[in-house]
Amino acid sequence: NAGVTQTPKFQVLKTGQSMTLQCAQDMNHNSMYWYRQDPGMGLRLIYYSASEGTTDKGEVPNGYNVSRLNKREFSLRLESAAPSQTSVYFCASIPETSGTYEQYFGPGTRLTVT
Amino acid sequence: AQSVSQHNHHVILSEAASLELGCNYSYGGTVNLFWYVQYPGQHLQLLLKYFSGDPLVKGIKGFEAEFIKSKFSFNLRKPSVQWSDTAEYFCAVSLYNTDKLIFGTGTRLQVFP
Repeated sequence: NAGVTQTPKFQVLKTGQSMTLQCAQDMNHNSMYWYRQDPGMGLRLIYYSASEGTTDKGEVPNGYNVSRLNKREFSLRLESAAPSQTSVYFCASIPETSGTYEQYFGPGTRLTVT
Repeated sequence: AQSVSQHNHHVILSEAASLELGCNYSYGGTVNLFWYVQYPGQHLQLLLKYFSGDPLVKGIKGFEAEFIKSKFSFNLRKPSVQWSDTAEYFCAVSLYNTDKLIFGTGTRLQVFP
């Protein structure tokens, strides 16, 4: 049981390049989340998916797209990377949207955009 | 909009000192409250959580937190810190019956031997 996994761990992009961050969980959780973590700002929600086939915007969705490929996988895509997207990205999952569970986090992807 | 405030941005302590990290939130309704810890180079892990019941909750590694509804606070405490407690600590709130978390900005704790 690996929990929540993320790939890659590190990535450097040039401005304008695109990439997809991958997240997978093996806990049969329904809901999945993407956050970005910036110094002095805590974690901010980018997008979330309450269940397979649904996605919704969070606090800072601009510049990102997501795909809930199946119950296990939730990917985050940067179509045209900008230096402002330099951050650490965390994926998280939760059994269901009942408000009674804590979120389980992946190890993070450190992205630098030059 | 709802928000979470952590007023201590950086705390430096010696081993065996007592710790209290402040957390206040702005929302008048029912909330669920969490403290997460992020050790250097690692992902976030749950320290403790409050959903209902006894407002004094105990978590892992000797941490505890007290929910004071009248003060909109959920402060984290530990009577005697260890060097291994060096980490960043995040308070988070979710509104009742939802699970979208609102995080505070975090408190960096450094413990020196």
